[in-house]
Amino acid sequence: AQSVTQLDSHVSVSEGTPVLLRCNYSSSYSPSLFWYVQHPNKGLQLLLKYTSAATLVKGINGFEAEFKKSETSFHLTKPSAHMSDAAEYFCVVSFSNYGGSQGNLIFGKGTKLSVKP
Amino acid sequence: DGGITQSPKYLFRKEGQNVTLSCEQNLNHDAMYWYRQDPGQGLRLIYYSQIVNDFQKGDIAEGYSVSREKKESFPLTVTSAQKNPTAFYLCASSGTGDSNQPQHFGDGTRLSIL
Repeated sequence: AQSVTQLDSHVSVSEGTPVLLRCNYSSSYSPSLFWYVQHPNKGLQLLLKYTSAATLVKGINGFEAEFKKSETSFHLTKPSAHMSDAAEYFCVVSFSNYGGSQGNLIFGKGTKLSVKP
Repeated sequence: DGGITQSPKYLFRKEGQNVTLSCEQNLNHDAMYWYRQDPGQGLRLIYYSQIVNDFQKGDIAEGYSVSREKKESFPLTVTSAQKNPTAFYLCASSGTGDSNQPQHFGDGTRLSIL
């Protein structure tokens, strides 16, 4: 069965320190992977996506993520946190190589990132 | 600017009442989606449409209905059969129904029961 797990529901960092948000997936097929960010009372904004090209994916606002097939992980990182990064982050997995049905898009439960001054 | 517009931003429903949430996009996207978001949970798919005049049930379609008469519009009706409608509702669109395509989201409608 396909699934996605965000390992931390809440992460707190100090401004200027690195950010690590963890995501693991389970799939029998080659996945496409996305990270989205959601600010309070807003929709989701795409940060980056992996679709079987380079394993290190660079996104907007200095975020990047590395696809590690052997670990079935797609962790999101940023070298230096900014106050404006405080938001909720969602790891999303799709299995479009199998059928392409929209029913195969799976959202993690989210990680809330707090940034302390 | 192209984007997705959801209205209203806040909506209140009385017992036994149907309410309709609006979603309009000017991105010329074929596919549109409705999600429900509850605190501490990811997004759950209610309905999706890959083309005009066609739509499919998602994981939690019971108590909801949709229509897709125009490419730009995908309204969601929360019927009185939905016993727990309080949630944040998000509409999204993508170029095609291929789930490799990233989705673009509106700013959501927060629905509460009076």
